[in-house]
Amino acid sequence: DQQVKQNSPSLSVQEGRISILNCDYTNSMFDYFLWYKKYPAEGPTFLISISSIKDKNEDGRFTVFLNKSAKHLSLHIVPSQPGDSAVYFCAASASGTYKYIFGTGTRLKVLA
Amino acid sequence: KAGVTQTPRYLIKTRGQQVTLSCSPISGHRSVSWYQQTPGQGLQFLFEYFSETQRNKGNFPGRFSGRQFSNSRSEMNVSTLELGDSALYLCASSPEPSYNEQFFGPGTRLTVL
Repeated sequence: DQQVKQNSPSLSVQEGRISILNCDYTNSMFDYFLWYKKYPAEGPTFLISISSIKDKNEDGRFTVFLNKSAKHLSLHIVPSQPGDSAVYFCAASASGTYKYIFGTGTRLKVLA
Repeated sequence: KAGVTQTPRYLIKTRGQQVTLSCSPISGHRSVSWYQQTPGQGLQFLFEYFSETQRNKGNFPGRFSGRQFSNSRSEMNVSTLELGDSALYLCASSPEPSYNEQFFGPGTRLTVL
């Protein structure tokens, strides 16, 4: 039972344009969400998070949107840069469970 | 501050053997989580430890076990290795409260032949 889904395995975007990565979840108990970026041969690196009391969080070029009614979150990267090319994972957690459930990842390729 | 370190980085074992992987969290971090990453499966949660206590466990067979020491360092053990255990094993640490982001190590690449 995949509680966190990233339905797009890959995405290609031109440099300077917006990248939108999507994530859907099924467990309504999830109340904290994170996005990670992963380069080959490295561990995931934290990008940005959002708690369920918010619907948007912004950090520089990265913005995460949360739509609780649709159980959907998205990561926007503006403007996209070639260095953003990596695999992006979303993750979700429910209070008191002490674990994060990760999606299967979306490979973003930013074309110069 | 030094990041999360994992040893060894690469490991090759044969079926039926057992393996122990080690993780040293960021100084001051008391929560350590372990994940298995395989192609197409994303990161699968194995277990989480805090103050030497396992607080949650994922859906893995009993061959997968772990522990945490008083200095917050953690080990995971896989006994009777199977080919399907070949994966990248990632360790992540975080301070409390548990809603903080997790900081990942580079992982241990385990290959089972």
